[in-house]
Amino acid sequence: EPEVTQTPSHQVTQMGQEVILRCVPISNHLYFYWYRQILGQKVEFLVSFYNNEISEKSEIFDDQFSVERPDGSNFTLKIRSTKLEDSAMYFCASGIRETQYFGPGTRLLVL
Amino acid sequence: SQQGEEDPQALSIQEGENATMNCSYKTSINNLQWYRQNSGRGLVHLILIRSNEREKHSGRLRVTLDTSKKSSSLLITASRAADTASYFCAPDPSSNTGKLIFGQGTTLQVKP
Repeated sequence: EPEVTQTPSHQVTQMGQEVILRCVPISNHLYFYWYRQILGQKVEFLVSFYNNEISEKSEIFDDQFSVERPDGSNFTLKIRSTKLEDSAMYFCASGIRETQYFGPGTRLLVL
Repeated sequence: SQQGEEDPQALSIQEGENATMNCSYKTSINNLQWYRQNSGRGLVHLILIRSNEREKHSGRLRVTLDTSKKSSSLLITASRAADTASYFCAPDPSSNTGKLIFGQGTTLQVKP
């Protein structure tokens, strides 16, 4: 059964550094999402992406964040200058409209 | 999108027992979905019920939807230790852009 994959599974970075989190969505899906979950808290929506552009973003998704679908298969989340509070689990999801299929997540730790 | 409110916050049962968790929401919906999250892992889609459906089954899962009361329930029958996880509902309003908003969920512990 096809699944969403994410790399790396863990990433440790220094505050102020740029990180790129990678996702490979399920191949025939059209909608792509990023969510994050700070330890012990709810899963929070960051951004949705459809037809090669952002369709919606949350307040969390400020100018430090960007998304890209560089080659028609990968879907990336870039954090330009990481802050301590960016430490969280980041989940990618893809779907055909209603149901979303989540990847296993990337645990990001900012020191 | 809107957030569903799950109840109870925590539930502890013995293996073999049934587990029921509830979800309430505020505005009209197109459909409602239930997801499961094992500790620290990604969410797994369990079932989607549309606004014109009252009940839906999938294996040991039974979901009901009462649009007049704006509520849904998820029943897991003959629970197993592997069902230990957090469960979330995601009400999907007609105007949804696709994003899901998750609440705190119901944390289910199934004791062997």
